[in-house]
Amino acid sequence: AQSVTQLDSQVPVFEEAPVELRCNYSSSVSVYLFWYVQYPNQGLQLLLKYLSGSTLVKGINGFEAEFNKSQTSFHLRKPSVHISDTAEYFCAVINSGGYQKVTFGTGTKLQVIP
Amino acid sequence: EPEVTQTPSHQVTQMGQEVILRCVPISNHLYFYWYRQILGQKVEFLVSFYNNEISEKSEIFDDQFSVERPDGSNFTLKIRSTKLEDSAMYFCASSGRTGGGETQYFGPGTRLLVL
Repeated sequence: AQSVTQLDSQVPVFEEAPVELRCNYSSSVSVYLFWYVQYPNQGLQLLLKYLSGSTLVKGINGFEAEFNKSQTSFHLRKPSVHISDTAEYFCAVINSGGYQKVTFGTGTKLQVIP
Repeated sequence: EPEVTQTPSHQVTQMGQEVILRCVPISNHLYFYWYRQILGQKVEFLVSFYNNEISEKSEIFDDQFSVERPDGSNFTLKIRSTKLEDSAMYFCASSGRTGGGETQYFGPGTRLLVL
């Protein structure tokens, strides 16, 4: 079984400040890792993913995440946030075999303050 | 860029009624999924579908739920007799064979309200 923990349910941050959204996972098998973003009243959009290779992955809208196997973490970062980044961010995992269910974390609401 | 589409965007129904939620996956994808998100909660897996049969389902996906791919493009979720607790946002997703099939692309969701 897999699980994803997002300890921060809400993160307020001032515009143009850096932000880190934390994600830890637990799995008995190797996994692929994802971050999805959900803007208000919209669906889930893929932000970035880690499958293999370089542990630092870059996504859309200036976000990046770093996979740390020893700490079983996949934290999301952005050096300078914009108002438009206000959304809910979900960390997710899937067995590395693919074609299987995605397990989501509980989400972190990023509130960018002008 | 190809995307998953879902209809309707919103559905209001009376308890006990049947609803059908529709999805059009990305055209060359072969794996299809339904998830739901109860308001304020996390996204939960319901079912996965491949080669015209269910490949995995969660404990949520009981006998009142069914899925179907009635033609070459649509993928549907039917709830036979809706309950109040079925009120949620329902997301369809699909993934393809190329690139490992590991990345699921989600539709915009159908918000179901059961009264």
